[in-house]
Amino acid sequence: EIVLTQSPGTLSLSPGERATLSCRASQSVSSNFLAWYQQKPGQAPRLLISGASSRATGIPDRFSGSGSGTDFTLTISRLEPEDFAVYYCQQYGSSPQTFGQGTKVEIK
Amino acid sequence: QVQLVESGGGVVQPGRSLRLSCGASGFSFSGRAMHWVRQAPGKGLEWVAVTSYDGSNKNYADSVKGRFTISRDNSKNTLYLQMNTLRAEDTAVYYCARGASSGWYAYTDYWGQGTLVTVSS
Repeated sequence: EIVLTQSPGTLSLSPGERATLSCRASQSVSSNFLAWYQQKPGQAPRLLISGASSRATGIPDRFSGSGSGTDFTLTISRLEPEDFAVYYCQQYGSSPQTFGQGTKVEIK
Repeated sequence: QVQLVESGGGVVQPGRSLRLSCGASGFSFSGRAMHWVRQAPGKGLEWVAVTSYDGSNKNYADSVKGRFTISRDNSKNTLYLQMNTLRAEDTAVYYCARGASSGWYAYTDYWGQGTLVTVSS
């Protein structure tokens, strides 16, 4: 199975700053089938990005995804207070689907 | 609007069984693959199982293969997860999630709020 490794584990930033989250795969992700999700405490995950770079419906354009093959990045251009959460990457191009362990973006 | 509502969670002893349900509304249930994903307390997300749009194809994580069965009733817009021979490590919030297409190889675009399963004696 494809192992996804997210870094850093925790990112401490202030509102207005730029956040860069990394997701590295143990082997190439088929067709760049890589998604990003946001999860806040006590809530279900919410889809942000699919296909490595396509924003889901209703997702603000401060969220952007990039990358291909084994290296992917989620960028939040200017952090808003509601963006402090845990972010997961997921590959869905190979069975079984797998998730990264998550990156927590916390207020500095 | 898309709604997914899980039910059936609770406290169960190791070795026993439990069946989860997920009621769907607001979309054409019979046209989408459906997934179960779980999250142990304080941990990350783990994909559990998927069923194709018509229930003819299913796939499972190795950790549950042979113990869990995913199924669906398209006439009732309901997804199920039959969990047998439960172990302490199955303790988690179980989420029902809609696939973005009819097939397996798609992301999940809507999630329910989850139901907690606790396996403990």
